[in-house]
Amino acid sequence: EVQLVQSGAEVKKPGESLKISCKGSGYSFTNYWIGWVRQMPGKGLEWMGIIYPGDSDTRYSPSFQGQVTISADKSISTAYLQWRSLKASDTAMYYCAKSRESDSWPFDYWGRGTLVTVSS
Amino acid sequence: DFVMTQTPLSLSVTPGQPASISCKSSQSLEHSDGKTYLYWYVQKPGQSPQLLIYEVSSRFSGVPDRISGSGSGTDFTLEISRVEAEDVGVYYCMQGRTFGQGTKVEVK
Repeated sequence: EVQLVQSGAEVKKPGESLKISCKGSGYSFTNYWIGWVRQMPGKGLEWMGIIYPGDSDTRYSPSFQGQVTISADKSISTAYLQWRSLKASDTAMYYCAKSRESDSWPFDYWGRGTLVTVSS
Repeated sequence: DFVMTQTPLSLSVTPGQPASISCKSSQSLEHSDGKTYLYWYVQKPGQSPQLLIYEVSSRFSGVPDRISGSGSGTDFTLEISRVEAEDVGVYYCMQGRTFGQGTKVEVK
């Protein structure tokens, strides 16, 4: 059974750093892309970026380039989304999802999401 | 970059009646490999999104056959032949790295 298990909810202050995780199981982690999707409160889905754990090839949406860092540790089948300095506007639910095919990006399975709250 | 435009943005349907959602892309979605990477997802209340349809018209595992997808080029449609209470949620089309705005489906 494919599973993407995300780390728990976080409450942070503006300016703090954060790294959230997504652990894949039930499939070959290195052979499928893992992407991150933001959902701000009451809003739609926004594609942030994606990584291929096999070779760490990473692509970002222009809207998120330079704002976050996506990485993966294939030895523990885990992908990460990281911020160096959080802003209140980063408050959102963040989902990870795996690609349905190894050579294309659209997703099939999704994690349950990590809620990030940034407030002073 | 692609722009995906969904209509309507909300829909209220009587159980047992059909529902249809349109998704239009700013550019053709026909890829050079011959596939068309248009996907449909539903996000039910309090849940993460789940895949319904991939490559325009293929149902994902466990999706009932009253849910279907069609279209080509820049125009795509998701249809629910007989809406049930469990179909409540927000439906999104997606291409590559672009989501539509979402269509909220309510069951009367």
